[in-house]
Amino acid sequence: QQPVQSPQAVILREGEDAVINCSSSKALYSVHWYRQKHGEAPVFLMILLKGGEQKGHEKISASFNEKKQQSSLYLTASQLSYSGTYFCGTVQGGSEKLVFGKGTKLTVNP
Amino acid sequence: NAGVTQTPKFQVLKTGQSMTLQCAQDMNHEYMSWYRQDPGMGLRLIHYSVGAGITDQGEVPNGYNVSRSTTEDFPLRLLSAAPSQTSVYFCASSPFRGSTDTQYFGPGTRLTVL
Repeated sequence: QQPVQSPQAVILREGEDAVINCSSSKALYSVHWYRQKHGEAPVFLMILLKGGEQKGHEKISASFNEKKQQSSLYLTASQLSYSGTYFCGTVQGGSEKLVFGKGTKLTVNP
Repeated sequence: NAGVTQTPKFQVLKTGQSMTLQCAQDMNHEYMSWYRQDPGMGLRLIHYSVGAGITDQGEVPNGYNVSRSTTEDFPLRLLSAAPSQTSVYFCASSPFRGSTDTQYFGPGTRLTVL
C-alpha cells in the first residue's frame, strides 16, 4: 500500500525551509527518502529505522514517528540544487517490499 | 564498477509483442527490484528478489515475469505488451535487504507500447 505524501508540490526561494511529510496506515519497519531530478534515476537521501537508527546524507534531516507511522523530511536553507521530486518509501514489519509514494515536487527559485 | 546497468535505454513495441528488459549489477548485491514510473503515480514496485533463485511479487506484477538465476542479473519479461505498460522502468539493487539498505537505481528504460 502506497504511503501518502504531502504536499504534492512546493515552491521555495533560495534559503527558505521546507518540510515534506509521509504517512502510512500500516505499521512500518523503515522509511526511505529519495530525490529524483528530471530525466534521472532516484538517488538515496536517508533511511530511518524503527528503533531510532538513521542512515544517510549529512545535510538532510528527517524524523520517524513510530506511533503515528509518519515521517517528515526537513530541508533547511534550501539551495537551487535541492529542486527535484522527493519520494518517500516504506517497508512494513516482516516484509522486504519497499513501496514508494507518489512524490513531492520541490522547486527552488533564485 | 559500472553499478546497475539497464538495456535497452529506449524501446518501442507493438501491442501483443513480448520482450525482456535487462538489468545487471556488478556490486554483488543480494537484493534487486523492478519499478515502473508513470506521471503522477510515483514509483510502483513490480517484482523483487532477495537473492538468486528467489523472487516475489510487488504491487503491480500482472503482465510481467522475472527470474533470478544469478546474483548479477534480474531480467523483466513482458509477456504480451499492452499500451498500459508504456512507462519508464527502473531496476534497483541493494547490498542485502530492501528494508534497511540503500537502493542503487539504474538509469531506466523508456518503453512505449503502440
